Amino acid sequence: GAVVSQHPSRVICKSGTSVKIECRSLDFQATTMFWYRQFPKQSLMLMATSNEGSKATYEQGVEKDKFLINHASLTLSTLTVTSAHPEDSSFYICSARVPGLVQETQYFGPGTRLLVL
Amino acid sequence: AQTVTQSQPEMSVQEAETVTLSCTYDTSESNYYLFWYKQPPSRQMILVIRQEAYKQQNATENRFSVNFQKAAKSFSLKISDSQLGDTAMYFCAFKETSGSRLTFGEGTQLTVNP
Repeated sequence: GAVVSQHPSRVICKSGTSVKIECRSLDFQATTMFWYRQFPKQSLMLMATSNEGSKATYEQGVEKDKFLINHASLTLSTLTVTSAHPEDSSFYICSARVPGLVQETQYFGPGTRLLVL
Repeated sequence: AQTVTQSQPEMSVQEAETVTLSCTYDTSESNYYLFWYKQPPSRQMILVIRQEAYKQQNATENRFSVNFQKAAKSFSLKISDSQLGDTAMYFCAFKETSGSRLTFGEGTQLTVNP
């Protein structure tokens, strides 16, 4: 299957700082990428849909100014958590949709564990 | 809005035995896609199997197969000859044909015991 990478795999930061997470499609071009948040032992919660060359579409309740998403190329989307606070600590996962596949499958990155102190 | 329900928060099975995970969904669409994803302790989401609603034949991938009952809106996953490496959280997911987002169930934690 298609490969999606995420960097960093884990990050610890101080409250009030900003953290950038990168999501890359390694062997295909992804016009659409997705960002999820997952709390321990819970399901994935879609935060936003990222489209190359246009503004991201955020889910209801997700603060656009806090979670900045940029999809500047067909292989890279970034999520920046601005002015992070302890309640932002979570597991963030990106996924990419492989274009042209009838099954419309999403392939997922390995996730980024964020801990805000 | 579509909803996906996994009514079994936890299940366990002995190694080499067969286990079935349940999933039901609610939609007014006639065509859509269904998926089972596996999330082992590493937390990497891995696609297990997928099914297009317009196909009557149940999908099969080696030891993994589904029982797709469109009228009942049921999509269960059967794991045969369970292996220790199958221990993971399993998520059922739904996608409309026209849309791009996945709707996930709450997940079922499967433990395979030696």
